[in-house]
Amino acid sequence: DIQMTQSPSSLSASVGDRVTITCRASQTIKTYLDWYQQKPGKAPKLLIYVASTLESGVPSRFSGSGSGTDFTLTISSLQPEDFATYYCQQSYDTPYTFGQGTKLEIK
Amino acid sequence: VQLVESGGGLVKPGGSLRLSCAASGFTFSDYYMSWIRQAPGKGLEWISYISRSGGTIYYADSVKGRFTISRDNAQNSLYLQMNSLRDDDTAVYYCARDKSTSWYPDFDYWGLGTLVTVSS
Repeated sequence: DIQMTQSPSSLSASVGDRVTITCRASQTIKTYLDWYQQKPGKAPKLLIYVASTLESGVPSRFSGSGSGTDFTLTISSLQPEDFATYYCQQSYDTPYTFGQGTKLEIK
Repeated sequence: VQLVESGGGLVKPGGSLRLSCAASGFTFSDYYMSWIRQAPGKGLEWISYISRSGGTIYYADSVKGRFTISRDNAQNSLYLQMNSLRDDDTAVYYCARDKSTSWYPDFDYWGLGTLVTVSS
């Protein structure tokens, strides 16, 4: 199985900050990497697919990059509604594994 | 687009449940679908995937041989038959639509989830 490791596991930041979350795959997954946002009690929401493509309706302050084994999700200027847990997920091979999540909290 | 799961509840270890996911707002038969679960306070775990026709299916090792995914395109419905349930199957179960047209899924719509609790 492909292991997905996110860092950090938690992060405190302020509104307006620039934030970067990283995701590392245990083997190459080319660009088959998605990012999701999940708020408490809600279903995950797709933000970025194939590493860098912004899902329709997602604000442009979200961006993704990377290929192979190393990927990043960047939020350019944090907004109050961005405080949530973020997951990466590889879609390269079954089982389609997720990272353990990064909880983004208000400082 | 709407996905609505049902069928969750409390079941004893070794028991069975059948989850359903009713799809609306899109042509269900055009999309691959998956079940993904989340144990209380934990992360996300993909567990099963089914092709548009139902002819190709994948499972995570954690559920292989115990769970069966199926779909009825005429009824716009996705199912998950869960047998030999264990304590560690306790989770919220989500159905999710794959927006891609390949075998590299991107889950663009999710249901609200249905809670399955396995406990004696």
